[in-house]
Amino acid sequence: DTGVSQNPRHKITKRGQNVTFRCDPISEHNRLYWYRQTLGQGPEFLTYFQNEAQLEKSRLLSDRFSAERPKGSFSTLEIQRTEQGDSAMYLCASSSEGTVETQYFGPGTRLLVL
Amino acid sequence: AQSVAQPEDQVNVAEGNPLTVKCTYSVSGNPYLFWYVQYPNRGLQFLLKYITGDNLVKGSYGFEAEFNKSQTSFHLKKPSALVSDSALYFCAVRDKGTGGFKTIFGAGTRLFVKA
Repeated sequence: DTGVSQNPRHKITKRGQNVTFRCDPISEHNRLYWYRQTLGQGPEFLTYFQNEAQLEKSRLLSDRFSAERPKGSFSTLEIQRTEQGDSAMYLCASSSEGTVETQYFGPGTRLLVL
Repeated sequence: AQSVAQPEDQVNVAEGNPLTVKCTYSVSGNPYLFWYVQYPNRGLQFLLKYITGDNLVKGSYGFEAEFNKSQTSFHLKKPSALVSDSALYFCAVRDKGTGGFKTIFGAGTRLFVKA
């Protein structure tokens, strides 16, 4: 069990550019979550996958945001045409299937949009 | 709609004293409740959760939390604080009734334990 990993750890981009983040969950976990955390706030739910199926999406996830989990393993979160308001920490978590499973969080990707 | 309130931005306590970090929640049905801790430059770590049953839940590092349905609260407690407990603590809730997986987090409470 190597934990949840996220890459890159930091990303600086210019407004209008596209960025993509990757999350590798704990290997036996079939559930994967994306959150966004801004300074002074708790994580905000963005989306949830069970295996490769995206089952829930927050209204926070605008059309510029898209997430995939093509083979039910790693996941990517893409932000198109970034805006300064997208600057935040993007967190990934995974869990195994169960009634009320514990989510294990990765270290996050910190995005700064200039 | 689900919501979580952590009314204190910061809690200060002396080492060896008991600590309490407060959390209240709002859900339409019955809640699943969680506490997570975030140390600097590290990801969120799970402390404990309430699903059903005994209202007093014991978790990692000597922490416990008490579910109080009438007060819609889930306060985090520890009998004797350590300096190493200093961190950011998040309460979270999921609505059991919706069947969904959306977890709502509070804004966090920073705990400072002085030696």
